[in-house]
Amino acid sequence: GAVVSQHPSWVICKSGTSVKIECRSLDFQATTMFWYRQFPKQSLMLMATSNEGSKATYEQGVEKDKFLINHASLTLSTLTVTSAHPEDSSFYICSGGRLNTEAFFGQGTRLTVV
Amino acid sequence: ILNVEQSPQSLHVQEGDSTNFTCSFPSSNFYALHWYRWETAKSPEALFVMTLNGDEKKKGRISATLNTKEGYSYLYIKGSQPEDSATYLCALTSGGSNYKLTFGKGTLLTVNP
Repeated sequence: GAVVSQHPSWVICKSGTSVKIECRSLDFQATTMFWYRQFPKQSLMLMATSNEGSKATYEQGVEKDKFLINHASLTLSTLTVTSAHPEDSSFYICSGGRLNTEAFFGQGTRLTVV
Repeated sequence: ILNVEQSPQSLHVQEGDSTNFTCSFPSSNFYALHWYRWETAKSPEALFVMTLNGDEKKKGRISATLNTKEGYSYLYIKGSQPEDSATYLCALTSGGSNYKLTFGKGTLLTVNP
């Protein structure tokens, strides 16, 4: 299957700082990348859909000014958590692939805000 | 909001046992049902994508069935091995939702040697 590389795998940051998470598609062109978040004992929840060369589409309840998404190329999408707070501590994971076929996931990022 | 339910939440089996788990979903506006296998510290890996009522798919010792009319899918593992230990996720795609995936919480399988 296709490979999506996500970095960092874990990060600890201070409250009020910003954190950038990168997802790269290594062997395919990802015109669309999906960003998910998972809180403990919950399911993966879609946060936003990242489209190459255009604005991201955010799910209801997800603040677009807080979770900045950039998809400037066909192989790179980034999620920046701005002014992070402890409640933003979560597991973030991206996926790419053609719509309605299998998704290819990154390894995920464990964010802890202290 | 779509509700995708998986059961059981977790289970322990002995090596060699066969096992199965369930994914339930709303049958209206169905488009596709996905199964993923997620090992700790790794990326979720696609097992199956099923679209048609009555679909049955198989990969090695793992197989899945789909009933879109009643809204459920079963995942079967025959002769479980310790390396099958993982969380198994199902996810639903429904028409009109821009094809996004709605996940269940997963079933955590532990296979004891």
